[in-house]
Amino acid sequence: QVQLQESGPGLVKPSETLSLTCSISGASVSTYYWSWIRQPPGKGLGWIGYISYSGSTNYNPSLKSRVTISVDTSKNQFSLKLTSVTAADTAVYYCARFAYDSGGNFDYWGQGTVVTVSS
Amino acid sequence: SYELIQPPSVSVSPGQTASLTCSGDKLGTKYACWYQQKPGQSPVLVIYQDTKRPSGIPERFSGSNSGSTAALTISGTQAMDEADYYCQAWDSSTVVFGGGTKLTVL
Repeated sequence: QVQLQESGPGLVKPSETLSLTCSISGASVSTYYWSWIRQPPGKGLGWIGYISYSGSTNYNPSLKSRVTISVDTSKNQFSLKLTSVTAADTAVYYCARFAYDSGGNFDYWGQGTVVTVSS
Repeated sequence: SYELIQPPSVSVSPGQTASLTCSGDKLGTKYACWYQQKPGQSPVLVIYQDTKRPSGIPERFSGSNSGSTAALTISGTQAMDEADYYCQAWDSSTVVFGGGTKLTVL
């Protein structure tokens, strides 16, 4: 059974960098694609980006200039960095496995972590 | 950029059939999937590749996708099905979510 767990600071100051990590159990980060998704309070889901098993990335065009997703194979983790954050980046952040080989869907999700951008 | 449009809300009586729609340009040429999200919980995949149900998802959930509209149908809707439902597609390497539909069972 694949399990995902997000971790990172729950509070980030405006203009600083948001950094989150997703720890994977039950699967290897070197297989499949891995993704970050966020959900602002009371709003819908928003795709941030994904990284493939080969290390290639694809980001939401609206966030591309501020986002980096990377993999740490030694720790079986992948990470998100979002620079120059504002209050609009306040959201629940989810990590998820992207099943690219079955039509492109998120079949396993983490529990989500709340990130608030505030001074 | 590609967009998926969902009605904000749908209401259904217990035991009846709920039909949720998701519209997008030539959506029928892509695979659509659906997620259920209950308050305070992570989304759960309920339909993928237009019509397939993941293990553990009840048979009352079914999907279709043709033309510009994908649909999620819940037969014999139960109170436990009250939730937000999101459609999602993968277009030109970009993932797109619909805005979500709140399903009320009353």
